[in-house]
This record gives sequence, C-alpha cells and structure tokens, in this order.
Amino acid sequence: DGGITQSPKYLFRKEGQNVTLSCEQNLNHDAMYWYRQDPGQGLRLIYYSQIVNDFQKGDIAEGYSVSREKKESFPLTVTSAQKNPTAFYLCASSTGLASETQYFGPGTRLLVL
Amino acid sequence: GENVEQHPSTLSVQEGDSAVIKCTYSDSASNYFPWYKQELGKRPQLIIDIRSNVGEKKDQRIAVTLNKTAKHFSLHITETQPEDSAVYFCAARFYNNNDMRFGAGTRLTVKP
Repeated sequence: DGGITQSPKYLFRKEGQNVTLSCEQNLNHDAMYWYRQDPGQGLRLIYYSQIVNDFQKGDIAEGYSVSREKKESFPLTVTSAQKNPTAFYLCASSTGLASETQYFGPGTRLLVL
Repeated sequence: GENVEQHPSTLSVQEGDSAVIKCTYSDSASNYFPWYKQELGKRPQLIIDIRSNVGEKKDQRIAVTLNKTAKHFSLHITETQPEDSAVYFCAARFYNNNDMRFGAGTRLTVKP
C-alpha cells in the first residue's frame, strides 16, 4: 500500500475558499482516481485520469476540478461552488484504466470552518 | 445506471463465529469483484478479489463466492477475531466502461 501519498491529512476550508488536495504516486501507474467518502456511504467517483493531460468527470464532479500535468501527480481542487465539501477524500491509482486493482492513498479529511 | 448494493450495513458477531457480507450488482457483464477492508480513518486495503470466470476463491480465513446467474457475490470470514473489526466494501467493475462501483459498506464488529 505504500507508493501513493496524500497531503495534508486534515484540511480546513473557509467559506468561499478554494482548497487543493495533493495526491502523488511513485508506482508508475497510468490511471489515477479521486473518490469522496461520506459516513455510511460507499466511495463515489469524482474524477479520474487515464493518462497525462487527460481526465474525465465521475459521478459527482460538480464543484471540483483536477489537473494531470505529470504522471505521478493528480491534485484535486475543491472550489467554492462545492457547497457541502466536508468528507474524507481518497485518491487511488492503477496500472491502467482497464486494470483491476486500485491502490488507495491514506486520505484527506476536509472540514469546513 | 450500474450500481452495487451491500448488506447488511452493520454486523456484530462473537469472536470465533463466522461473518457473511453480501453484495448484488446490476450489470451482468461485470467481470471483476474486489473486497476492501477499511479501518477507522485509514485507507481501504484490498483483501481478496474474484473474477467472473471463477465461482469461489479462498485465502486463509477469508473466502469470496460469486453467483453470476443471480448477480451476487459474498464475503465469508471464518473464525473471526477482534482485529477483523472494520468497514468492508465490495465493488464491481462494469465491463463496458471499466467503471468501478462500490457498495455502501458493512461495519463489522467482532466482540471478544
């Protein structure tokens, strides 16, 4: 489970503020994903990227943005348009989009002040 | 749309007993079914998986069974221990778009 890291562990957002969550992997994986986890619910896909400079919306992309300028990095920005951002955010990677196994980072818990 | 349903949402067993968690999926073309264990505040960890060409897979105290006709798969944990206490998620990969869908999770508590 090593090789994919997220920072920070906790993040506080003020109203109207954009915040960026970091996700880095040194596994040489092509595909990367962002999930949101709310209490009592499963993981919901926000965005995913199959390759550098390409990304696609998941089920709940509204209020979020991503970039994939480098293979090893897939940062997620929670914009002020996301009205209910409090959640546990998990980043994952896999060797390819068609690859079966996804490896998860340790997560970032986002709280609103 | 494609989805995965997981039951029960909570499960409490006595140490040494067995625990069974069940999931159903909607897309008959799904071909890969992983199970993840997530301890409080930590990342999900893959514990076992099964592919659509196999009916059962076992790894020590953990087993997964797949019924393709009924479109359901189950996680079986035998001789449960307190350290098995966690939230367990099932998932299914939908063949057409490689989308991975997760169940809502089952909180398993093993009482010593």
